[in-house]
Amino acid sequence: ETGVTQSPTHLIKTRGQQVTLRCSSQSGHNTVSWYQQALGQGPQFIFQYYREEENGRGNFPPRFSGLQFPNYSSELNVNALELDDSALYLCASSLYRQGANEKLFFGSGTQLSVL
Amino acid sequence: QKEVEQNSGPLSVPEGAIASLNCTYSDRVSQSFFWYRQYSGKSPELIMSIYSNGDKEDGRFTAQLNKASQYVSLLIRDSQPSDSATYLCAVRPRDDKIIFGKGTRLHILP
Repeated sequence: ETGVTQSPTHLIKTRGQQVTLRCSSQSGHNTVSWYQQALGQGPQFIFQYYREEENGRGNFPPRFSGLQFPNYSSELNVNALELDDSALYLCASSLYRQGANEKLFFGSGTQLSVL
Repeated sequence: QKEVEQNSGPLSVPEGAIASLNCTYSDRVSQSFFWYRQYSGKSPELIMSIYSNGDKEDGRFTAQLNKASQYVSLLIRDSQPSDSATYLCAVRPRDDKIIFGKGTRLHILP
């Protein structure tokens, strides 16, 4: 167990709807990263949050947005859902320190199905 | 574009043999390298990290890094059926976020 928790575990939505996924980071960690993993693919970086601000973003459209709260937990919001958004959404927490090697620890993920 | 390449497999290895998983990366100044294991329907689990050229051993696992060749590998000795999973190679380019390969499916034959 990594101590990273995600909710919900499974979610079914229809095209055009909006969804919010939640993540609680591991105790002592200050950074949360979100990844999207389609079936048979590796995780794709969506964005990272550090000190409640976006700290890097992958090649995802603006309808993917996020938040980080003072307790380091985080939300991923996706608006105007498309069929291709169906995937496993992974939250990873880490401890970011300048000059140190950062390791990601993943939660169990949220499986999103868009119909 | 920064990339991490892995053979998708499946790689079939007899129980008790050595499984060898390979990964190449495109960004020459990458500085951190990781191997994650992912069982079907589960999330990735960190099993090894390596930052310097050479070998790093942890139990039955050995990670090997060759920055000149932009190559990182994972050896699993005495392979067990429980090692059957997808193995993801991950790389952190300098001052950038960790990126993943597509993974190699490993099947240990009893």
